[in-house]
Amino acid sequence: DAGVTQSPTHLIKTRGQHVTLRCSPISGHKSVSWYQQVLGQGPQFIFQYYEKEERGRGNFPDRFSARQFPNYSSELNVNALLLGDSALYLCASSFFSGGAETDTQYFGPGTRLTVL
Amino acid sequence: SQELEQSPQSLIVQEGKNLTINCTSSKTLYGLYWYKQKYGEGLIFLMMLQKGGEEKSHEKITAKLDEKKQQSSLHITASQPSHAGIYLCGAGPPRYGGATNKLIFGTGTLLAVQP
Repeated sequence: DAGVTQSPTHLIKTRGQHVTLRCSPISGHKSVSWYQQVLGQGPQFIFQYYEKEERGRGNFPDRFSARQFPNYSSELNVNALLLGDSALYLCASSFFSGGAETDTQYFGPGTRLTVL
Repeated sequence: SQELEQSPQSLIVQEGKNLTINCTSSKTLYGLYWYKQKYGEGLIFLMMLQKGGEEKSHEKITAKLDEKKQQSSLHITASQPSHAGIYLCGAGPPRYGGATNKLIFGTGTLLAVQP
């Protein structure tokens, strides 16, 4: 079975531009979460969506937004890019059915965003 | 807010040696997840621990959660070059079935295995 897929794999943008990152969850998973990982640090939680509704939001500015589609895929949008937005953006999917094991998150390969 | 501290930050071992990575939480752990990451790539799920004193093994990797549920360790026996990478521990929410299952991660431990 296919795992979590993300596109594109790499992206180079300039300051002030906007970017859209895409994620397809594992088949059967209805929850998608987004994380930002800056070099040398652990991933930081950005958003969680379940059944197209936002279930959680991390400490990120309003320039970051996301949505989930009826097929459970998701997009992360970042507006007015800053140099500090350069990072690996990770998408994770899970069943989100109320148990520690069933809520295990499985991660995609990530999108490497470089802002110049 | 909960914080996870991992030690050591980095580790270089000779192939065949055993090693241990620790993850200490500032609050009680209700679900502790171990992941492995190759540099610049996604996270690979290794194991999940939930109960105090719980221990799980997969191939040559063993993870434990202490009785007080504030510290976890990951032990690799007879390390191989394929074990090289970044090991991350992540803490789940205090209550499953709640609003979110977001993870809080430690800063990671970089493991290098010399042939």
